[in-house]
Amino acid sequence: QSALTQPASVSGSPGQSVTISCTGTSSNIGTYSYVSWYQQHPGKAPKLVIFQVTHRPSGVSNRFSGSNSGNTASLTISGLQAEDEADYFCCSYSGSSTYVVFGGGTHLTVL
Amino acid sequence: QVQLQESGPGLVKASQTLSLTCTVSGDSISGSDYYWAWIRQHAERGLEYLGYVYYSGSTYYTPSLRSRLSISVDTSKNQFSLKLSSVTAADTAVYFCARGGRTTVSFDPWGQGTLVTVSS
Repeated sequence: QSALTQPASVSGSPGQSVTISCTGTSSNIGTYSYVSWYQQHPGKAPKLVIFQVTHRPSGVSNRFSGSNSGNTASLTISGLQAEDEADYFCCSYSGSSTYVVFGGGTHLTVL
Repeated sequence: QVQLQESGPGLVKASQTLSLTCTVSGDSISGSDYYWAWIRQHAERGLEYLGYVYYSGSTYYTPSLRSRLSISVDTSKNQFSLKLSSVTAADTAVYFCARGGRTTVSFDPWGQGTLVTVSS
């Protein structure tokens, strides 16, 4: 049971936009602006695509964007491409005792 | 380009100690902007944060593993290590090392991961 709740799967057609939600509590997402998102292709290491809720690392496509509202963070991928098909994990700071918690992951299928 | 590479046995017997090392290249492990973390992923499941070490040797361990987990750093070799004692089948997972940002609280980059299987 992950501390952050994500949908198990989402899908979209090429060119469309999809949004993946990540629901936490006031102990993590609702209090701290340290939400990050990771993309993981099968058999590969996770790759950071969003940090501090809305920031994109250098080299990450601007098709990836992040936001949050209350206890829920969201990752939106616009202009879907076949290469976006992967698992996506959210992560949030959760205070000094727990440090960070992860979501259970969402599989994105590009139809 | 910063790269991390895990190394260690892929098979550990139950009740023994799992030991992994992460070798960092392209960055000094002694920098003050980052800490060095271990994260694992069980098959078909999400990610689990284990803990981190700072270049000074200060550490953080996730509460559920605190009694069995030890993370250390060797700045002379630009490496950090994980030791997990008294392992069981529940510790079978892919173990990743990663660089954590002190001010961003995010992990980038990650090592490729290494599968550790606990056998009975």
